[in-house]
Amino acid sequence: SQQGEEDPQALSIQEGENATMNCSYKTSINNLQWYRQNSGRGLVHLILIRSNEREKHSGRLRVTLDTSKKSSSLLITASRAADTASYFCATRTGAAGNKLTFGGGTRVLVKP
Amino acid sequence: DTAVSQTPKYLVTQMGNDKSIKCEQNLGHDTMYWYKQDSKKFLKIMFSYNNKELIINETVPNRFSPKSPDKAHLNLHINSLELGDSAVYFCASSPSGTYNEQFFGPGTRLTVL
Repeated sequence: SQQGEEDPQALSIQEGENATMNCSYKTSINNLQWYRQNSGRGLVHLILIRSNEREKHSGRLRVTLDTSKKSSSLLITASRAADTASYFCATRTGAAGNKLTFGGGTRVLVKP
Repeated sequence: DTAVSQTPKYLVTQMGNDKSIKCEQNLGHDTMYWYKQDSKKFLKIMFSYNNKELIINETVPNRFSPKSPDKAHLNLHINSLELGDSAVYFCASSPSGTYNEQFFGPGTRLTVL
């Protein structure tokens, strides 16, 4: 099974609303990253949170990390139609090679 | 433009053929990766190279052979293509180190008929 699993698999909201998605993982991590993928495009890095951090902000993005529950959440505030994309969490363990293990993603649709 | 580029963007081929996908990055990174994204959007690492040396090989069939002629290039050659190889293949790069993001190419959509 996947290291990272995301919930919900799909999310539909109105422009201006907040979008929250969650990621759970199984093994201890060094850091957790969130990426966005627009349809037909490559992934774009959004934010990285280290295992000793609990919360991080970047613009309209807020990420939390709870290592005791092995979970993270990504909040997008005041969503825009341009936020329509798939969002993936990825975990980095201490293993060599900078290996990232991705979750299955959350598809977000922001309706204008 | 500084970026990770891949060619071709689309690849349609018959079962049994051999094909290659090329990847180049001009970001000065010393680590490069190949990922496979299946039809359900699940993204899985295949290979990772650091300074032309293979670091990660994730139980990928040996029909897949990566080759890194220099640290700016990581190509993927696939022999005897099978229907199940149909997917989108992404190349990525990053600096070495634990707390670094990865930069992804635009992907190559491979369709095996």
